[in-house]
Amino acid sequence: AQSVTQLGSHVSVSEGALVLLRCNYSSSVPPYLFWYVQYPNQGLQLLLKYTTGATLVKGINGFEAEFKKSETSFHLTKPSAHMSDAAEYFCAVNGGAKIIFGKGTRLHILP
Amino acid sequence: KAGVTQTPRYLIKTRGQQVTLSCSPISGHRSVSWYQQTPGQGLQFLFEYFSETQRNKGNFPGRFSGRQFSNSRSEMNVSTLELGDSALYLCASGPRDRSTDTQYFGPGTRLTVL
Repeated sequence: AQSVTQLGSHVSVSEGALVLLRCNYSSSVPPYLFWYVQYPNQGLQLLLKYTTGATLVKGINGFEAEFKKSETSFHLTKPSAHMSDAAEYFCAVNGGAKIIFGKGTRLHILP
Repeated sequence: KAGVTQTPRYLIKTRGQQVTLSCSPISGHRSVSWYQQTPGQGLQFLFEYFSETQRNKGNFPGRFSGRQFSNSRSEMNVSTLELGDSALYLCASGPRDRSTDTQYFGPGTRLTVL
């Protein structure tokens, strides 16, 4: 069975600082991994996804994530936070039958 | 290309009533999935339709049902509403096999049950 754990329901970073949102997954088959972002009163928007191939995946808005099989992790990073990055971020795994989402991490940007 | 649209955006109902939510996928997409989002439970998968057939179903009671039409538009219905059904209901569409394709989400329908 697949599962996703996001460490930290709330993360605060200063504007211009590194953003690191942690995600660990469990999957009995090679996983497809996703990061989605949700702004207030909106649906989910895909930031990036990993299926196969290069383990460092670049997404929109300057975000990237690295698939580390040995650590079963897929952490999301951005070198320099911007006020517009304030939102909720969801890591997800798709093992074939359905998409399983983590509980989400709300990112706060401090001026 | 127009995105996924959901109607209505907001809905207020009372306990015991029933409700129907609508989702129009991106043109050409044949897979439609529904999710329930609540603060306590997060995002939970309801069901998925592909070419008018329900392919997968989540762990929800039979009060939750859905269907898909030949033009890929989908509806979900909740009967005998309970207070706990208050949630954001999200619809997502994909072109083919959901296990590999990106899911594109609509803005959601916010359902409040009083």
